[in-house]
Amino acid sequence: DAGVTQSPTHLIKTRGQHVTLRCSPISGHKSVSWYQQVLGQGPQFIFQYYEKEERGRGNFPDRFSARQFPNYSSELNVNALLLGDSALYLCASSLLSLGTEAFFGQGTRLTVV
Amino acid sequence: DQQVKQNSPSLSVQEGRISILNCDYTNSMFDYFLWYKKYPAEGPTFLISISSIKDKNEDGRFTVFLNKSAKHLSLHIVPSQPGDSAVYFCAAKIPNTGNQFYFGTGTSLTVIP
Repeated sequence: DAGVTQSPTHLIKTRGQHVTLRCSPISGHKSVSWYQQVLGQGPQFIFQYYEKEERGRGNFPDRFSARQFPNYSSELNVNALLLGDSALYLCASSLLSLGTEAFFGQGTRLTVV
Repeated sequence: DQQVKQNSPSLSVQEGRISILNCDYTNSMFDYFLWYKKYPAEGPTFLISISSIKDKNEDGRFTVFLNKSAKHLSLHIVPSQPGDSAVYFCAAKIPNTGNQFYFGTGTSLTVIP
């Protein structure tokens, strides 16, 4: 079975641009969460979606948005990119909304120049 | 503010010996704790977890200990193997918050053959 898949794996963008990151959860998993991991830090929670509804949001500006599709895949969108948005963006899926375990993808490395 | 702390950025251990990774937390509402292992260029992989109603959980070579009064948990790996060399993240969650995990900054474990 395929695990959590994310695309693209690497991305370089210019300040002020917009970016869309994609995630496909493990088959049968209905919950998708997004995390940002800045170099030298642990992952920081951005969003959780379950059954296409937002179930949680971390302390991130409104430039960050996400959505979940009927097939449970998800997109993370970031507008007006800043240099500080450079990070590894991780997607995690779980079976339930209140799952006690999340399975992570390999991440998308975003570099803003 | 960092609610989950891993104060040792790195740890080196001889193969066959015990590795002890430590984690402290500040939020008494946390009721579930997890350890993830991360290799370079991969997403975090779930290792072991513990509920706040327990003080110990064992899975093969891995044991997690929880001391609620001290707000401290530790991961013991016995015996340590070179393949255990990775970054280990401690994570915690608050009840009914879905997959909103709070991660520590990680400890890089090197097991020397």
